Amino acid sequence: QKEVEQNSGPLSVPEGAIASLNCTYSDRGSQSFFWYRQYSGKSPELIMFIYSNGDKEDGRFTAQLNKASQYVSLLIRDSQPSDSATYLCAGGSNYQLIWGAGTKLIIKP
Amino acid sequence: GAVVSQHPSWVICKSGTSVKIECRSLDFQATTMFWYRQFPKQSLMLMATSNEGSKATYEQGVEKDKFLINHASLTLSTLTVTSAHPEDSSFYICSALLAGATYEQYFGPGTRLTVT
Repeated sequence: QKEVEQNSGPLSVPEGAIASLNCTYSDRGSQSFFWYRQYSGKSPELIMFIYSNGDKEDGRFTAQLNKASQYVSLLIRDSQPSDSATYLCAGGSNYQLIWGAGTKLIIKP
Repeated sequence: GAVVSQHPSWVICKSGTSVKIECRSLDFQATTMFWYRQFPKQSLMLMATSNEGSKATYEQGVEKDKFLINHASLTLSTLTVTSAHPEDSSFYICSALLAGATYEQYFGPGTRLTVT
C-alpha cells in the first residue's frame, strides 16, 4: 500500500530557530512532492512543491528531496509564531497524491 | 493567482435533508477537482475526484449515491450531501488542480457542515 508517513508531533521549536519537518514515502514511482500548511479550522495552503532531487528554496522555506532514500523535508528558517500550524506532506504521480497525516509545529516565543 | 472559492462556508441542516456545496476556481480553469472530508484533529480524507464532463471517481468506502458530485464546467464542481445524518457533520474541502508540470492542488476555504 502506498503511504506517506510523517511524525505527528507536536514539534516544538524556539522562535528564530530552524524548524525541520520530515516525510517518508513508499511509492518509488512518486514524482512530485508538496508541502501544505494548515492552520486549525482552516483549509490547507500550498507552501512549496519539489520534483527534483536536491534543495529548493523560497524565502524562509527550503524543501529537500532525496529519491534514493525516499524522503522529503521542509526547513523553515527564522521560525515565527505565525508558522505554528500543521504541515502536510503529499506525494505522487500526475495528480494522484498520497497524503501524510501531518506534523503539528509549535513555535515558542 | 490560483484562487479557489467555496460556498457556503458553513451550513447547519436537519437530518434527512440535502445540502449542496459549490467549489469554484476563480482565475484558472480546472478540469479536475477533488473533494475531501476532514474530521477534527484528523488528516484529509479524499472522497472523490471530479473531472469536467464525466462521472466522478469515488474512493473506496464513499457512497456515490449519498455524495453526489457534478463538474459541469471548467470552473465549477458541486458536492451534494443527500439525506444528511449527524455522522456526516464534518469539514468538507475542495481543491482544484492546476495542471502542468507539477500538478499543484489549490484548496478552497472549506465548508463546515453540521447536521442536527
